[in-house]
Amino acid sequence: DTAVSQTPKYLVTQMGNDKSIKCEQNLGHDTMYWYKQDSKKFLKIMFSYNNKELIINETVPNRFSPKSPDKAHLNLHINSLELGDSAVYFCASVLGGTGANVLTFGAGSRLTVL
Amino acid sequence: GQNIDQPTEMTATEGAIVQINCTYQTSGFNGLFWYQQHAGEAPTFLSYNVLDGLEEKGRFSSFLSRSKGYSYLLLKELQMKDSASYLCAVRPTTGFQKLVFGTGTRLLVSP
Repeated sequence: DTAVSQTPKYLVTQMGNDKSIKCEQNLGHDTMYWYKQDSKKFLKIMFSYNNKELIINETVPNRFSPKSPDKAHLNLHINSLELGDSAVYFCASVLGGTGANVLTFGAGSRLTVL
Repeated sequence: GQNIDQPTEMTATEGAIVQINCTYQTSGFNGLFWYQQHAGEAPTFLSYNVLDGLEEKGRFSSFLSRSKGYSYLLLKELQMKDSASYLCAVRPTTGFQKLVFGTGTRLLVSP
């Protein structure tokens, strides 16, 4: 019954590898996000999609490529992983994206690059 | 640019009251949110302010002054389970939500 679910929860990999994180929400929301939380717990927005359309693209290296096959799914693919990519990646979703509508976060995917 | 400041860490005792401050300087303002995040878990929504004043929700209250770029989260009757990080987030513009988060305040509640 998880509202926003991410897989995998933990990911340990070597530098230079390519990896993906998947996110699905069953809330009927139309806007989804990827946030990155670094070791200092700073939560920073990366991307946002509304109804499969990219609407926010922060200054993120192009090694990161989001994909939204439908409005309930937003995946994140990372090429050529670097040590600095180690972080917790949170998926979030919201309905409409304005007013008091609240972001609902997934449990996070902890990526460790060795 | 966007700048949101919070104290890094605070400590308090069970049953006490604690106030966590947040100051912000953003290019536009369309709402301020407070989230709670326990270690290893997702942030969860606590409160939302878009107009000046106090919003009360049980043991938690949040205050906003737009002219001062200032908000605080007030936690009353502290419980051990309130030990967590508290994240202040501002939505700078209208349109689709883009929440800009502060670095969070880690609150430690002791017996």
